Amino acid sequence: GQSLEQPSEVTAVEGAIVQINCTYQTSGFYGLSWYQQHDGGAPTFLSYNALDGLEETGRFSSFLSRSDSYGYLLLQELQMKDSASYFCASPRSGYSTLTFGKGTMLLVSP
Amino acid sequence: DADVTQTPRNRITKTGKRIMLECSQTKGHDRMYWYRQDPGLGLRLIYYSFDVKDINKGEISDGYSVSRQAQAKFSLSLESAIPNQTALYFCATSDSAGVNEQFFGPGTRLTVL
Repeated sequence: GQSLEQPSEVTAVEGAIVQINCTYQTSGFYGLSWYQQHDGGAPTFLSYNALDGLEETGRFSSFLSRSDSYGYLLLQELQMKDSASYFCASPRSGYSTLTFGKGTMLLVSP
Repeated sequence: DADVTQTPRNRITKTGKRIMLECSQTKGHDRMYWYRQDPGLGLRLIYYSFDVKDINKGEISDGYSVSRQAQAKFSLSLESAIPNQTALYFCATSDSAGVNEQFFGPGTRLTVL
């Protein structure tokens, strides 16, 4: 089986830094992706980590540690528009489809 | 124009009715997916297709069927809708090498009374 666990909700203030964690249990591991979804809208792809380490894209960074079965999404200089749900996802065995975590709702306050 | 479109965007129907949700894409991708989203449960895969002649069940396919009419079109049917199929439905696409990066449509909000 395959499962990805992430906190249901995280709160932070504008300008701060927030980290959203994702731990996984998989029979075969092919990397970790992150998606953003604003209220009821289409999920959009943010990043993908195939190897250990940090990937940076502007204010967002994603980290993976395969030995710890753990990854996180780091959001810097938070803005109100970053309030959204964030999902980690990983390919199933055979690299055919994605399993998604249940999502973390990030609430950014002024 | 949007790369992945879904119709209808909203639908209210009654128990027992047959419903079809349609998805079209202009990205030229081979792979297409149908997901449902329920509050607190994330995105769950219903069906997926890697080309016109390839259809596969996902983790929650019971009560649903699909048709891949062309590379660009992938429709989802509920043969006899029931209230617990009330959910937000998303279509997504990816290229053959890009299962990690999927492109989602705007979603269809379906309510079954």
